[in-house]
Amino acid sequence: QSALTQPASVSGSPGQSITISCTGTSSDVGGYNYVSWYQHHPGKAPKLMIYDVSDRPSGVSNRFSGSKSGNTASLTISGLQAEDEADYYCSSFTTSSTRVFGTGTKVTVL
Amino acid sequence: QVQLQESGPGLVKPSETLSLTCTVSGYSISSGYYWGWIRQSPGKGLEWIGTIYHAGNTYYNPPLKSRVTLSMDTSKNQFSLKLRSVTAADTAVYFCARVKHDDYTLPEIWGQGTLVTVSS
Repeated sequence: QSALTQPASVSGSPGQSITISCTGTSSDVGGYNYVSWYQHHPGKAPKLMIYDVSDRPSGVSNRFSGSKSGNTASLTISGLQAEDEADYYCSSFTTSSTRVFGTGTKVTVL
Repeated sequence: QVQLQESGPGLVKPSETLSLTCTVSGYSISSGYYWGWIRQSPGKGLEWIGTIYHAGNTYYNPPLKSRVTLSMDTSKNQFSLKLRSVTAADTAVYFCARVKHDDYTLPEIWGQGTLVTVSS
C-alpha cells in the first residue's frame, strides 16, 4: 500500500487560511469516507484533528475542517495561529482493511 | 484523561526481537476500545502495525503480520508489541495508541513515541 501524497510544506501568515491536500486512489481515499487528519508537534503525541473526512473530535477547534472530492481529501486551517505550526498527516482506511498514512506536510506560520 | 506511555529498549540487534510496552493511565483497557501500535521511520513515514481488542482479537498490517504479536496484560493496564527478526528497516519511532471504538485501524489518542534503533 503506497503512502498518500501530501505537499511537503505549506505556509501562511497569522489569520490567513491554508489548505493541505491528500491524494490517494480509489482503493483508499476515494473508496471510503474514512479519512482522518493528525497534527504532530515533533517530540509530542500526535493529535487527531479530523476523522471520517469532516468530523472533529471533542475539543478540536472549529478552525480545522476537512473535505473530500474523489481521490483527494483536504484539511483547511482558517484563522492561522502560531500554535498551528506543526506537521500534519492524513490517513485513510483501505480496501485491504488496513490504514495508510500520508507523507506529511510541514505547516509554517510566517 | 487518557494517557499512554511507551517503554522498552532503545537499541535492538539485527535478527533479535523488539519488545515494547504501552502503559495506559486514566482508563481501564479491559473496559473496551481497541489498542494499537504505529511506527514512523524516515524511509516509510507512518505505518500502522496492528490493533488488539480487550477480548483478545488482533488485527495486523499484512506486510508485518508474520513477525508481529500484540498482547494485553489487563492486571497492569498495559499492552505490548513484539516484532521478531528485526533489521535496520525496523528502526523507527514506535507509538502506542487508543484506537477509535468503531474503527480498529484509527488511532485516536497517542503516546509520545519511543525511538528504537536496530543496530549491532
